[in-house]
Amino acid sequence: AQSVAQPEDQVNVAEGNPLTVKCTYSVSGNPYLFWYVQYPNRGLQFLLKYITGDNLVKGSYGFEAEFNKSQTSFHLKKPSALVSDSALYFCAVRDIGNAGNMLTFGGGTRLMVKP
Amino acid sequence: DGGITQSPKYLFRKEGQNVTLSCEQNLNHDAMYWYRQDPGQGLRLIYYSQIVNDFQKGDIAEGYSVSREKKESFPLTVTSAQKNPTAFYLCASSKKSGDSNQPQHFGDGTRLSIL
Repeated sequence: AQSVAQPEDQVNVAEGNPLTVKCTYSVSGNPYLFWYVQYPNRGLQFLLKYITGDNLVKGSYGFEAEFNKSQTSFHLKKPSALVSDSALYFCAVRDIGNAGNMLTFGGGTRLMVKP
Repeated sequence: DGGITQSPKYLFRKEGQNVTLSCEQNLNHDAMYWYRQDPGQGLRLIYYSQIVNDFQKGDIAEGYSVSREKKESFPLTVTSAQKNPTAFYLCASSKKSGDSNQPQHFGDGTRLSIL
């Protein structure tokens, strides 16, 4: 079975400060990991993914995420937050052995960036 | 531009009524998915289809039905058996299930409410 935990319902950060949105996962094999962002009344937009290779993954809009196998984590980061980054963020995992291509999503973390 | 189109954006259901949510994609993706999103919760998988004329139940299929007669289309019917249908419904698609490192692409959702 595969599962994802996002331990923070909300993260508050001031504009210009660095931000981190946390994600931990559990899979039986090796993971594929994804981050998505959702704006109000919209679908999810893909930000970045980890498949293999470099543990630091760069994605859209200046976001990056660090894969840590020993801690089973995949935290989303950005060096300098923008007010426009305020949205709902979802981490998702897929076990490489999952032939059905099924994603399991975390419960989401609301990011609030204040001016 | 290629993408996923969900319609309608808002839908109201009367007691005892079945309603159908439309999902069309022009990305030439083989796999399609339906998710339900409730406030404060992540996405939960209702049904998925990896190929035309085939579909599988997800985690919360009771009270829902789907069809996959065309590659481009994956409509979801919310039946009267679904006693709590009020939610935001998201449709997604991805390349064939063997390409499990590919992200899912999402439509902009349908918000369903009970009259």
